[in-house]
Amino acid sequence: AQRVTQPEKLLSVFKGAPVELKCNYSYSGSPELFWYVQYSRQRLQLLLRHISRESIKGFTADLNKGETSFHLKKPFAQEEDSAMYYCALSVAYGNKLVFGAGTILRVKS
Amino acid sequence: ETGVTQSPTHLIKTRGQQVTLRCSSQSGHNTVSWYQQALGQGPQFIFQYYREEENGRGNFPPRFSGLQFPNYSSELNVNALELDDSALYLCASTRDRDLRDEQFFGPGTRLTVL
Repeated sequence: AQRVTQPEKLLSVFKGAPVELKCNYSYSGSPELFWYVQYSRQRLQLLLRHISRESIKGFTADLNKGETSFHLKKPFAQEEDSAMYYCALSVAYGNKLVFGAGTILRVKS
Repeated sequence: ETGVTQSPTHLIKTRGQQVTLRCSSQSGHNTVSWYQQALGQGPQFIFQYYREEENGRGNFPPRFSGLQFPNYSSELNVNALELDDSALYLCASTRDRDLRDEQFFGPGTRLTVL
């Protein structure tokens, strides 16, 4: 069965500190993974996807197939990074998404 | 380019009633997916529509049904509402199911079942 696990419900860091949001997945096929973000009072939006290998807003994520992980990282957190972050796995034909439960990131000044 | 829109914003129903939620896909998108997001959880896939045909379904009972129209807008219908159906219902559209493109989400419809 496909599953995405985000072990932390809440991650609180100080501004300027490094951030790592954890994501582990379970999938027998070839995984395609995403990070979606939801800022306060905004809709869910794509932050990044592993196949593009780009850095968005200073965030990066590397797919580790051996550890079945796709952790989201940023070296220096900013207050505007405070949001809900969801890790998602694309399964089957048609890009259907399986989401984790989400992690709230709070960046304190 | 118009984004994904959903209506209504909020809805209150009683147990046993039926509800219809609506979604307009982003311009140029022919694939629409519906997700249910219960409080404190991530979105859960309900089903997907591609060119007016259902293209995959998650672990939801048959009382959850849908439609997609020729203009690619979509409806989600839920019959015999139960208290556990209370959730935020999200619609997402993508250019084409074959492209594995980004999914663009609507703002959601908050359904409360009393």
